[in-house]
Amino acid sequence: DAGITQSPRHKVTETGTPVTLRCHQTENHRYMYWYRQDPGHGLRLIHYSYGVKDTDKGEVSDGYSVSRSKTEDFLLTLESATSSQTSVYFCAISGAGGFSQETQYFGPGTRLLVL
Amino acid sequence: DQQVKQNSPSLSVQEGRISILNCDYTNSMFDYFLWYKKYPAEGPTFLISISSIKDKNEDGRFTVFLNKSAKHLSLHIVPSQPGDSAVYFCAAKDPRQKLTFGTGTRLTIIP
Repeated sequence: DAGITQSPRHKVTETGTPVTLRCHQTENHRYMYWYRQDPGHGLRLIHYSYGVKDTDKGEVSDGYSVSRSKTEDFLLTLESATSSQTSVYFCAISGAGGFSQETQYFGPGTRLLVL
Repeated sequence: DQQVKQNSPSLSVQEGRISILNCDYTNSMFDYFLWYKKYPAEGPTFLISISSIKDKNEDGRFTVFLNKSAKHLSLHIVPSQPGDSAVYFCAAKDPRQKLTFGTGTRLTIIP
């Protein structure tokens, strides 16, 4: 158990509203990641963090921002949600304790519907 | 430009037989490869991995083979069991710890 949780697990929102998803980990992992999963695309990296206040963009970062003010929390914000951001969002972690730095472990996912 | 490709969207295998899932990549900078299994409404679960300096890694019923010259990896499951029915993703890691995923193969084990 990599000790990773995501909240909320399900959310329905309207176009144009801001949305924040939270990823929380309890094992002091250095790296944290946000992915989205869509049919026909597999999982695509949105943003990732390699330490507190250290973040970088992934493959599909447009329309998303992230923040990591403490080790255990990585927040993903949709500043103004669009229907194209309807997806399942997964957080992942790597790099601490008995866990391999090369291997990422995933949370349970957040299902987001933008109407 | 898809750097990691899983060309078979689905695969059906008889219970007890071998399942072989394939994955091709294009970026020679990838240094680590992983397979994940995913059930509906759950997060991907890590299955097995292999470093780019090896050509085979085995863990119980699961074996991953890497052919660097062909930029090809495969996952062998033997014997296949009904609980193996899931979507399988291959992923490749670059030196900055970022993973690139394939689009997945849905494996169905027929009892």
